[in-house]
Amino acid sequence: ETGVTQTPRHLVMGMTNKKSLKCEQHLGHNAMYWYKQSAKKPLELMFVYNFKEQTENNSVPSRFSPECPNSSHLFLHLHTLQPEDSALYLCASSQEWGTAFFGQGTRLTVV
Amino acid sequence: RKEVEQDPGPFNVPEGATVAFNCTYSNSASQSFFWYRQDCRKEPKLLMSVYSSGNEDGRFTAQLNRASQYISLLIRDSKLSDSATYLCVVYATNNNAGNMLTFGGGTRLMVKP
Repeated sequence: ETGVTQTPRHLVMGMTNKKSLKCEQHLGHNAMYWYKQSAKKPLELMFVYNFKEQTENNSVPSRFSPECPNSSHLFLHLHTLQPEDSALYLCASSQEWGTAFFGQGTRLTVV
Repeated sequence: RKEVEQDPGPFNVPEGATVAFNCTYSNSASQSFFWYRQDCRKEPKLLMSVYSSGNEDGRFTAQLNRASQYISLLIRDSKLSDSATYLCVVYATNNNAGNMLTFGGGTRLMVKP
C-alpha cells in the first residue's frame, strides 16, 4: 500500500455514459497528478494540481474534467468518451522534494 | 526534444549479467531525480532516489551528472525478477506550474534464464 487509493479499480462504460474516477491520499502531499497509460505506451501526464490549484493541463480533451476539492482528493470526471480513451488511469501524489507515490490505477474500457 | 529521454529497449540479458540504463534530461533547473520500476499492467513504484554523490542499494547503483544532465542506473547480478520497465523521473519547481514530475518513456528490461 502506497497511501494513494484509487477507485474504482476497473470500469467499463459506454460512450454516452458519465462516470468519475476518484483518488485519495492522506500522506500530506500537496501535489496530485492524473496520468494516462495506454497499452504498451509510456505514461502521459494529463493534469497537475498544486495546493488544489490546477497548474498543468497537458492538452487534454474536454471530455476529461478534473476536480480537486481539497488537497487529499482528486477526481477525474468522464463524459462522452471514445474507445481510444480506454487505458490505465493512474493518480499520483508528491511532496516538495518530488518523491511520488502512485495509486493502483483504474483500468478503463470504453465500449 | 523530450524533457526526459530514455532508450526504450528492450534490453535482453541473461541472469547474472550487469546492465546499465541511461537517461538525459533537458531542464537544467531540475532538483530531484528518481528511478521507478513498473511491472506489466501495474503502477510505477519508487526504486531509488538519485543523489549527486551517487548511491547504491544492494545490486542497484544510481549516478547523477548534473553538468551533462545525465542519470544512470546500474543493475548487477540480474535476476529474473528484475524484468520490468525502468522509468527515469525528474522533479523541478517551475515558477508558473509549481511542482512538476516528468517521466521518461521507460526502458524495458527482460532477464532470461
